[in-house]
Amino acid sequence: GAGVSQSPSNKVTEKGKDVELRCDPISGHTALYWYRQSLGQGLEFLIYFQGNSAPDKSGLPSDRFSAERTGGSVSTLTIQRTQQEDSAVYLCASSQSGTETYEQYFGPGTRLTVT
Amino acid sequence: AQSVAQPEDQVNVAEGNPLTVKCTYSVSGNPYLFWYVQYPNRGLQFLLKYITGDNLVKGSYGFEAEFNKSQTSFHLKKPSALVSDSALYFCAVRANAGNNRKLIWGLGTSLAVNP
Repeated sequence: GAGVSQSPSNKVTEKGKDVELRCDPISGHTALYWYRQSLGQGLEFLIYFQGNSAPDKSGLPSDRFSAERTGGSVSTLTIQRTQQEDSAVYLCASSQSGTETYEQYFGPGTRLTVT
Repeated sequence: AQSVAQPEDQVNVAEGNPLTVKCTYSVSGNPYLFWYVQYPNRGLQFLLKYITGDNLVKGSYGFEAEFNKSQTSFHLKKPSALVSDSALYFCAVRANAGNNRKLIWGLGTSLAVNP
């Protein structure tokens, strides 16, 4: 079956502009995660959705970052008034449920460059 | 606080030799442990996990990992390395307690297998 897909694969934007990044999880996966990976760095957790529960937003670095998940499927990560330090690869992952035993399946990521 | 450490930024091994990528963790309660691999220009892929049971778990591509509770370690191993194993490896952990289902990620270890 289809894996996790993300769009766009690359995004170059000017400082101060807003961007939207999209994630399509694997069908039937109830849990969805957003991460950020800077060059040569590990994964930085951003936000986590599980079914209809309130999302865990504890990793969002500032109020410029927000995310939503419509209909329990597609998710959009929005960054307002982008800054150069927002440049990174943004990864989305989904898993069968929010329980800890299910591994996460990752999308290919969106490489964001803020000029 | 929960944490994961991958003490080596880079590991170099010769093709055909055994490889070890180290991971130690700190969690309250019993851990759930994961290894992921990120090949160049590709997304993160699940390799293996320890939830319960046998301390030695086997995963994809001939990799295995040994859970050692007394040393709080979960080192990744392979008996005979291939050049194609060259990639970035991430260890992740979460506690088997509480409602926090986020994974805590290590910073990654770059494995280079030399022909």
